[in-house]
This record gives sequence, C-alpha cells and structure tokens, in this order.
Amino acid sequence: NAGVTQTPKFQVLKTGQSMTLQCAQDMNHEYMSWYRQDPGMGLRLIHYSVGAGITDQGEVPNGYNVSRSTTEDFPLRLLSAAPSQTSVYFCASSRRDPTGGIDEKLFFGSGTQLSVL
Amino acid sequence: GDSVTQMEGPVTLSEEAFLTINCTYTATGYPSLFWYVQYPGEGLQLLLKATKADDKGSNKGFEATYRKETTSFHLEKGSVQVSDSAVYFCALGNEKLTFGTGTRLTIIP
Repeated sequence: NAGVTQTPKFQVLKTGQSMTLQCAQDMNHEYMSWYRQDPGMGLRLIHYSVGAGITDQGEVPNGYNVSRSTTEDFPLRLLSAAPSQTSVYFCASSRRDPTGGIDEKLFFGSGTQLSVL
Repeated sequence: GDSVTQMEGPVTLSEEAFLTINCTYTATGYPSLFWYVQYPGEGLQLLLKATKADDKGSNKGFEATYRKETTSFHLEKGSVQVSDSAVYFCALGNEKLTFGTGTRLTIIP
C-alpha cells in the first residue's frame, strides 16, 4: 500500500518563484489536509478538504492555494514563494466517520522540505 | 479558538525510566484527543487517542487519559526504551486537528 505520497521530498526556490507540492492518497479518504512544521511551532494547518470540490482555510492559509478536483489528489500551490515559507510541509488524509468528524487517525506523508532563498 | 499546550522539551531520560509528557488543552465542545509520534525523517503516526471524558488510550506501553476536569491528556510510559526516542505531539479536534508544539524525547542506554 502506497498510503499518502508527497513529491518532491526536497525543493529549493528563489523568492518570487512558483511551484506546486503534490499529494496523492490511494485509500479513498474523503479528508485531506496540508500542514507546515516549523521549529517551536509544531504543526499548523494550512488548508483542508472534506471531499472533492470542497476546500477550506486552516490556521495559516495566506500565500497558498489548493484545489481538490479528485478524491485522490490535493496539490498545494505557492504562487510567489517567500523566505517565510521555508518549512517542512506534510500532507495528511483520513476517512470521515458517520458524524462527520475525522475517523480514527490521520495518515501522513513523509514530508517535503522546502527552502526559499 | 482551540489550543494545545505541551511540556517544553527536550526531554532526556535513561532507559527503563518512567515517562510523563504533559498536555493541556482549551477547546469548545468535546473534541477527540490524540498523541502522535514522529520518528526522525518520517511523517507523524498516530500513537493513541481518546474520544470522550475518562477514556484511556493506550498503545505500545504508552497511556493517556482524557481528563475533562483538568483539561489534560498527559502521556505516560512506565519503562522507556531507546527506540522510543522521537518527537511527540499532542493534538485535539474533530474535523480539524490542532497540534501542540511537540516534545523531543531522547532515551539514553
């Protein structure tokens, strides 16, 4: 089982460049999300989606765009990279339980380490 | 909004020592509570969870009890091993998870 696959694993950008971080899951999970991990800050939610065609903002959405055209894929776009976006990015997915909450647990990808110079 | 406060790290213990990592929270409603673990170079993995007051989550010798009266979910293990060295995150939520800042644990032989 592939689980949650993130690409690339490492990326270096110059300020102002754009790029897309890819995330795909093969577990038919309705819920997908993007987090960034910074030292001393823990994980902060950027954007999330509860199903294809539905996205919503998390705690730190500025500078990032997402879309969810399929259940499997949830790409994160940086339109104009800034040094403040240097971080490790994690994609996560889960099923939804019958009450609409997150079921059992989040499955995380292995992360993308992004440096913006 | 919801928030999680975790014990500051890093924490260094000798093998077979008793472990406690404190976690307190503020939240509206009745969220589920989680402990996640991150081993070096990997994504987070669910360690244990509790969905309602007085529930005890347990896994791999780790335990945590959902204490509504003290708004706490402290992680404990009776005898730690070198392989337990990792970063531990407390989290809460239902549709969206809110994570603490993480506690780095190092176990020395």
